[in-house]
Amino acid sequence: GDSVTQMEGPVTLSEEAFLTINCTYTATGYPSLFWYVQYPGEGLQLLLKATKADDKGSNKGFEATYRKETTSFHLEKGSVQVSDSAVYFCALTGQAGTALIFGKGTTLSVSS
Amino acid sequence: GAVVSQHPSWVICKSGTSVKIECRSLDFQATTMFWYRQFPKQSLMLMATSNEGSKATYEQGVEKDKFLINHASLTLSTLTVTSAHPEDSSFYICSAREGGQAYEQYFGPGTRLTVT
Repeated sequence: GDSVTQMEGPVTLSEEAFLTINCTYTATGYPSLFWYVQYPGEGLQLLLKATKADDKGSNKGFEATYRKETTSFHLEKGSVQVSDSAVYFCALTGQAGTALIFGKGTTLSVSS
Repeated sequence: GAVVSQHPSWVICKSGTSVKIECRSLDFQATTMFWYRQFPKQSLMLMATSNEGSKATYEQGVEKDKFLINHASLTLSTLTVTSAHPEDSSFYICSAREGGQAYEQYFGPGTRLTVT
């Protein structure tokens, strides 16, 4: 079945460092890909998404490109802030309307 | 953007009792709602999918008689944990999706259940 694999954390960075969180997927067909963020004590929020190959999703300085050839959707940010400290989940949905399949989540801690 | 609420945000109940968690879409009609369970420092595990007016579809390994899901209207779904036990303690999260070909799901803030 479909699955998502993302790098395990925790990831610890200093403020203004470059961030990459790797995410690869296995799916039949053409899934839509998502990154969700969960801040401490809060629910999941959609960070960005891409629905077809070569699409780039971007939001709040984060970006990820849907790479079908490498089945990847790596999350990047050029300069992280302390406020970016959270758990990041990569996810996919195989068809519109089906439930999301999540990776295990990567905890990011940014220190000043 | 679309907002999904959950109530209560946290609940403590005694072993053997039942507890109901509500999930509401506040500004859109949700034809489909999903219930997830999240263990500490782990990912979200899909428990069931519910479509308005029909029976929920449960994932393998989820006891449908223990986790009762009702999606009686386009804005409300409920999850009732019956005869709760300490191992049911977890973070329960719902998400809601509009109808048609909409991909995006909107998540509630979650409900922390502690069974003593």
